Amino acid sequence: EAGVAQSPRYKIIEKRQSVAFWCNPISGHATLYWYQQILGQGPKLLIQFQNNGVVDDSQLPKDRFSAERLKGVDSTLKIQPAKLEDSAVYLCASSPGLGNQPQHFGDGTRLSIL
Amino acid sequence: DQQVKQNSPSLSVQEGRISILNCDYTNSMFDYFLWYKKYPAEGPTFLISISSIKDKNEDGRFTVFLNKSAKHLSLHIVPSQPGDSAVYFCAARGNSGSARQLTFGSGTQLTVLP
Repeated sequence: EAGVAQSPRYKIIEKRQSVAFWCNPISGHATLYWYQQILGQGPKLLIQFQNNGVVDDSQLPKDRFSAERLKGVDSTLKIQPAKLEDSAVYLCASSPGLGNQPQHFGDGTRLSIL
Repeated sequence: DQQVKQNSPSLSVQEGRISILNCDYTNSMFDYFLWYKKYPAEGPTFLISISSIKDKNEDGRFTVFLNKSAKHLSLHIVPSQPGDSAVYFCAARGNSGSARQLTFGSGTQLTVLP
């Protein structure tokens, strides 16, 4: 079974530029999550999708971050404009559904803002 | 407000001995707990979970213990192997409100010495 795929693995941009990350979940997984992991901290949920609908985006900074999962499969997370404090690893995860099931993570995109 | 705390940033153990990683939580709505292992430049990998209806769950060398009254869980690895050297994250979630989000601790770096 193929795991969660993310690209790119690394991205370096200057502040105020925009950036986008892509995620393809495990086949058949209805629930998709985007997390932000700042160095020295645990992952923090940004947004959760169930199929193509948003379940929870309460911690997404909506003035600069957006995400979509239009066809209920792969997803894109965008930051525009980027700030220095956005430097982090952005992790995508998926699970079969909303119940008590483990989430499976991709290897993440490491974003550096100059 | 850290709802999931891992108070030991690092732990060193001799190969063959027991590793004990600890985690405390504050939200009484949490009823499902997980441990993830993370190697450098990779995403977190699910290790083991426990529901609040149990106080112990075992999978090979890994055992998780849950003490609901103390709001404390621990991960035991016996015997420890050098390949177990990684960052271990404790995570918790509940069934309602903001507790439905998976909340992570800040991680413990385990080093198993040969």
